[in-house]
Amino acid sequence: NAGVMQNPRHLVRRRGQEARLRCSPMKGHSHVYWYRQLPEEGLKFMVYLQKENIIDESGMPKERFSAEFPKEGPSILRIQQVVRGDSAAYFCASSPSNRGPLHNSPLHFGNGTRLTVT
Amino acid sequence: SQKIEQNSEALNIQEGKTATLTCNYTNYSPAYLQWYRQDPGRGPVFLLLIRENEKEKRKERLKVTFDTTLKQSLFHITASQPADSATYLCALGAGGNKLVFGAGTILRVKS
Repeated sequence: NAGVMQNPRHLVRRRGQEARLRCSPMKGHSHVYWYRQLPEEGLKFMVYLQKENIIDESGMPKERFSAEFPKEGPSILRIQQVVRGDSAAYFCASSPSNRGPLHNSPLHFGNGTRLTVT
Repeated sequence: SQKIEQNSEALNIQEGKTATLTCNYTNYSPAYLQWYRQDPGRGPVFLLLIRENEKEKRKERLKVTFDTTLKQSLFHITASQPADSATYLCALGAGGNKLVFGAGTILRVKS
């Protein structure tokens, strides 16, 4: 019973390139959440998605960042034209459709993708 | 402004003692509060959840309290072990399906 799978674990990009981070939720989970973590800082909410729908993107920067969770395949967090300030650990979490934070239930996290922008 | 504050300094304790970590929040009215453990290079792992109408919750050597008047949660690990060394994060529901996290407290248990 695989948990939340994120890949790649480490990603190095030069300034101006694109970064694509992938997240496969736990089996049976249809809700995905993306968080960003900077050193010495807490996890910052970015976006919450259900299959084919973005439900809450209030934590996502307005430019260069986008997320999707297609009907088939993993959720993708895409960062265009990366800058050094994008260097961080990006975590994905999932929950079942009826058991998320709205229902007082915990999130199941992957082990993150560490993005380094050189 | 809304804030979640945890001890910024690492907590160093001796094996066998009780570790107590604090989580304070401002301008939130959470229906519940959660605690997670995070090891270096790994994602957070859920430990305990306590609802606003619960004063205390226990699970094995872990105990959580929730005081909505003080706007504070305390997380205790009794009979601490070196394997308990990690970063501990508190999180609360901020409306909808958004979980908001504190910056975490590093716990180091020395043998």
